Amino acid sequence: QQQVKQSPQSLIVQKGGISIINCAYENTAFDYFPWYQQFPGKGPALLIAIRPDVSEKKEGRFTISFNKSAKQFSLHIMDSQPGDSATYFCAASWDTGKLIFGQGTTLQVKP
Amino acid sequence: EAGVAQSPRYKIIEKRQSVAFWCNPISGHATLYWYQQILGQGPKLLIQFQNNGVVDDSQLPKDRFSAERLKGVDSTLKIQPAKLEDSAVYLCASSPQRKDTQYFGPGTRLTVL
Repeated sequence: QQQVKQSPQSLIVQKGGISIINCAYENTAFDYFPWYQQFPGKGPALLIAIRPDVSEKKEGRFTISFNKSAKQFSLHIMDSQPGDSATYFCAASWDTGKLIFGQGTTLQVKP
Repeated sequence: EAGVAQSPRYKIIEKRQSVAFWCNPISGHATLYWYQQILGQGPKLLIQFQNNGVVDDSQLPKDRFSAERLKGVDSTLKIQPAKLEDSAVYLCASSPQRKDTQYFGPGTRLTVL
C-alpha cells in the first residue's frame, strides 16, 4: 500500500516533443507528490511538486497533472530538449516527510 | 548556499568488511535522511533523523547497519559486515523540517566484492 508505481521504465522522445511519465499510488494518506530529476553521478534534485488540493501545477516547461479520484499523477515535459535527458522519479510522502519513490523513468531526448 | 556534502564518493570493499559513510547536511536543516539506491531502482529510505533523534528506521537492516547523528548536525552510516547485496549508492538528504523539500547530496557509490 506504500508503493508508488511508475511508467514507462524508459522513454525516447524527439527534440521539441512532449514527454509524459505516469505514476499511481494506493495510500490515500499521501499528501505531497514531488518529481525528482537525476543525472548520472548526481543526487536527485527536486523538479516540481504538487499537493492533492490542486489538479495541475505548471512551472516553465514542466507540468504535473493530478487525479485524486484515480490516485494517479503525471509529469509532462513540453518542448523536450536534449538537456532534459535524465532519470525521473515520482515520489509521495505524508506526515513524517519520508519519500516513497517510484522505480524511475530514463528519458532520452534525441536531437 | 552550500549543498549536502557526502564522503567518500566511491568505496570498494570485500564482503564481510565494514564501511562508513559521512554526511554534512545543509546548515540549519533539522531533518536528515539516508536513502539506499540500488542500480535501476528508486531511492529507499533507510533512516530519518529529526535533529539527533530517530524518526523512522523501519527499513534499516539493524543487524548490520547503524547510523548516528551526534549533536544534530552531521551523520555517519555504517555497514558491518557488508554483503554483496549492499552494493548501491547511499544518498544523504536534508530538509529544514520534516515536510519540507529534501535536498540530496551526490551520494556514495559502494561496491561490495
